[in-house]
Amino acid sequence: AQSVTQPDIHITVSEGASLELRCNYSYGATPYLFWYVQSPGQGLQLLLKYFSGDTLVQGIKGFEAEFKRSQSSFNLRKPSVHWSDAAEYFCAVDTPRLYYGGATNKLIFGTGTLLAVQP
Amino acid sequence: EAQVTQNPRYLITVTGKKLTVTCSQNMNHEYMSWYRQDPGLGLRQIYYSMNVEVTDKGDVPEGYKVSRKEKRNFPLILESPSPNQTSLYFCASRAKEGQEDRQPQHFGDGTRLSIL
Repeated sequence: AQSVTQPDIHITVSEGASLELRCNYSYGATPYLFWYVQSPGQGLQLLLKYFSGDTLVQGIKGFEAEFKRSQSSFNLRKPSVHWSDAAEYFCAVDTPRLYYGGATNKLIFGTGTLLAVQP
Repeated sequence: EAQVTQNPRYLITVTGKKLTVTCSQNMNHEYMSWYRQDPGLGLRQIYYSMNVEVTDKGDVPEGYKVSRKEKRNFPLILESPSPNQTSLYFCASRAKEGQEDRQPQHFGDGTRLSIL
């Protein structure tokens, strides 16, 4: 079955430091990948998405992610973290219906990484 | 402004008392979905709807009902809530899938339910 793994449950970084959040997926074909951010008390906001083409994807708020097929990874990065980046981050893969027998594509989420930012 | 609106945002209730969480989107999206978010489990799909009068079970449908009588609305119904349904719930919508495109989902701000 398709799955998404975010190995880091909780990460703390200092403001201004660089950030990398890990995401690994299990999927047989070219995946459609997303990163969402959930700020406290808010819904999920799309940071970026990868469908095809350039493996380095730019998103909002200065985030980027790199798709590495050989490693089945889609890690999220930011060169300099701001205090407002403290949130929970979710990686997700869009799974075609043929892979799970449903009527349409399904978004499968990782368990999330909670980011804390120290002053 | 394009948005998905859920109500209520917070609810504390008791076991067995029927409740409905409403969800409305103003983007004319065909697809709508409900998720629950629990610590350590991420988001899991409860039900989804591909269009009016078309609904189907997700991964954790037990104890929930949905309906899709209008395109913009997709209420989640808990006929007899139990404490294990205490969770954070999200409604989402997206446009119809195209052949070459994967549409990202738009999420509401969430509804925190506590069932005592």
